[in-house]
Amino acid sequence: DVKVTQSSRYLVKRTGEKVFLECVQDMDHENMFWYRQDPGLGLRLIYFSYDVKMKEKGDIPEGYSVSREKKERFSLILESASTNQTSMYLCASTPLVGTEPYNEQFFGPGTRLTVL
Amino acid sequence: AQSVSQHNHHVILSEAASLELGCNYSYGGTVNLFWYVQYPGQHLQLLLKYFSGDPLVKGIKGFEAEFIKSKFSFNLRKPSVQWSDTAEYFCRGSQGNLIFGKGTKLSVKP
Repeated sequence: DVKVTQSSRYLVKRTGEKVFLECVQDMDHENMFWYRQDPGLGLRLIYFSYDVKMKEKGDIPEGYSVSREKKERFSLILESASTNQTSMYLCASTPLVGTEPYNEQFFGPGTRLTVL
Repeated sequence: AQSVSQHNHHVILSEAASLELGCNYSYGGTVNLFWYVQYPGQHLQLLLKYFSGDPLVKGIKGFEAEFIKSKFSFNLRKPSVQWSDTAEYFCRGSQGNLIFGKGTKLSVKP
């Protein structure tokens, strides 16, 4: 059974703190993604990675960075958390099928981050 | 700009009513389309997907979707909804940065 896990379900941080959100997948997928989910805005892509040490900006990368040192792990970093980063953060992974990376995504349970 | 649009933000139905949720895409080239569902408190999961071939796609839990190229649409349907279908539904395209629609909340009244 495919599995994407995220380090925390709920997280509360203070403005200015450095925040790490971790995501691990056990499916040997090449591609991994970080989204934030906000009511009325759907899912917005922050960053994605198609290989170890590779990263690409999504639609809303400002205020975030990522790290992918191992194939199974993709970290999202908020260098200095702000209140407008309060959101649900979703991690996803997908295999590379041939040359087509855009396949079914498998999602983690999400991390609800509150920045006070 | 490439986009995926879901027209309905919140749909409220009674059990046994028929469902149709709209999804339109605005990009060309290879079109791969997906519908995902997020039940309350659960993670997103795939309902169905269209890559090519038969434009009528059947998914899990009695859902289906029809790809109509001339209308740039991929609407989700279910003939008779149940209370357990209460969830948020997302349409997703596969161009660019894997574009998601903004989601449609479905509330089914028992």
